[in-house]
Amino acid sequence: KAGVTQTPRYLIKTRGQQVTLSCSPISGHRSVSWYQQTPGQGLQFLFEYFSETQRNKGNFPGRFSGRQFSNSRSEMNVSTLELGDSALYLCASSLEGQKNTEAFFGQGTRLTVV
Amino acid sequence: GDSVTQMEGPVTLSEEAFLTINCTYTATGYPSLFWYVQYPGEGLQLLLKATKADDKGSNKGFEATYRKETTSFHLEKGSVQVSDSAVYFCALSASGGYNKLIFGAGTRLAVHP
Repeated sequence: KAGVTQTPRYLIKTRGQQVTLSCSPISGHRSVSWYQQTPGQGLQFLFEYFSETQRNKGNFPGRFSGRQFSNSRSEMNVSTLELGDSALYLCASSLEGQKNTEAFFGQGTRLTVV
Repeated sequence: GDSVTQMEGPVTLSEEAFLTINCTYTATGYPSLFWYVQYPGEGLQLLLKATKADDKGSNKGFEATYRKETTSFHLEKGSVQVSDSAVYFCALSASGGYNKLIFGAGTRLAVHP
């Protein structure tokens, strides 16, 4: 069974640009969550989608957005990139929408903003 | 709000030494608790979990017990190996947050032969 796939693995962007990251969850999983990992702030929750609906959102500015498609694949978008957006972005998928369900993480997308 | 506090690292041990990584939490209600591990250049892997008070999660020789009275979920292993070198994260499922996880800062473990 394939794991969570995130593409691309690495990205370099310039300040002011926008970027789209992709996440393909494990087959059959309908919940996808996104996290930002930085040395200073650690792992922070961005948002969670379940059956194409955003159910939960973290404390990030509106420049960070996401969506989920009918096949459960998800994308997140960051507009007007800032240097501080440089981070490892992790996607996690879960089978059900309940809080006790195990989350499976992808390898992440390393975004560098220059 | 919900939060997780982990002991700061790095933790440096010799092979076969005993490991403890402390984790305490603050939460509303009864969260599930997790330990995740991150190897260099990788995402997070679930190491173990506990869903209610007094539950003990265990995997690959690692153990942690959900202690509601002390709001703790300390990770232990009796004999570490070089291959256990990684960053360990304690996490809880946020109140009303479905699949929202709140993570601790992470503890880096280095095991030397």
